[in-house]
Amino acid sequence: QSVLTQPPSVSGAPGQRVTISCTGNPSNIGAGHDVHWYQHLPGTVPKLLIYANNNRPSGVPDRFSGSKSGTSASLAITGLQAEDEARYYCQSYDNSLSGLVFGGGTTLTVL
Amino acid sequence: EVQLVESGGGLVQRGGSLRLSCEGSGFSFSIYSMNWVRQAPGKGLEWISYISFSSDNIHYADSVKGRFTISRDNAKNSLYLQMDSLRAEDTAVYYCARVASPYAGMFYWGQGTLVTVSS
Repeated sequence: QSVLTQPPSVSGAPGQRVTISCTGNPSNIGAGHDVHWYQHLPGTVPKLLIYANNNRPSGVPDRFSGSKSGTSASLAITGLQAEDEARYYCQSYDNSLSGLVFGGGTTLTVL
Repeated sequence: EVQLVESGGGLVQRGGSLRLSCEGSGFSFSIYSMNWVRQAPGKGLEWISYISFSSDNIHYADSVKGRFTISRDNAKNSLYLQMDSLRAEDTAVYYCARVASPYAGMFYWGQGTLVTVSS
């Protein structure tokens, strides 16, 4: 059971928009800690997609965006492409655990 | 170019020990904090340990507390993870990752090293 809750899977057709939610609690996201998002393809290294809630590292397309409100955060992907098929993880810091926490991950399928 | 290269993974018996290393290059290793993150087969990412740039702030996940020890040698640009009393559930790919603080995102990751604990 992950501290941050994500849906196990989402799907969408090419060109569509999908969102992935990440629900925390007052000890992590609700405490004001930043949320970061990672894209992970099988056999590769996790890639930072969004940092500090809504910032994209250099090279990440603006099709990817993040938001945060209260004890939750969301990752939105617009203009879905086949190459977006991957597992996506949210991550934050938890005061009660004095450490980093990940969501369980969400598998994105492009139909 | 920032590079992180892990080594030391392998097959070990349950109850045994293993020491992982992570060598950084292409950046000032001594001013960055570091994390160890793992992924068990078929599972998600799990953070396991954090060490500040000066080693004065160290944290562990409950799943490894008391069994794993994180350390670093800034003179050698290296991060370590001493893993003792290994269990089957410690089988995973272990990644080191660079961070600016415990609250920051992990921009750079190593390629990972596989640890397999046999029962």
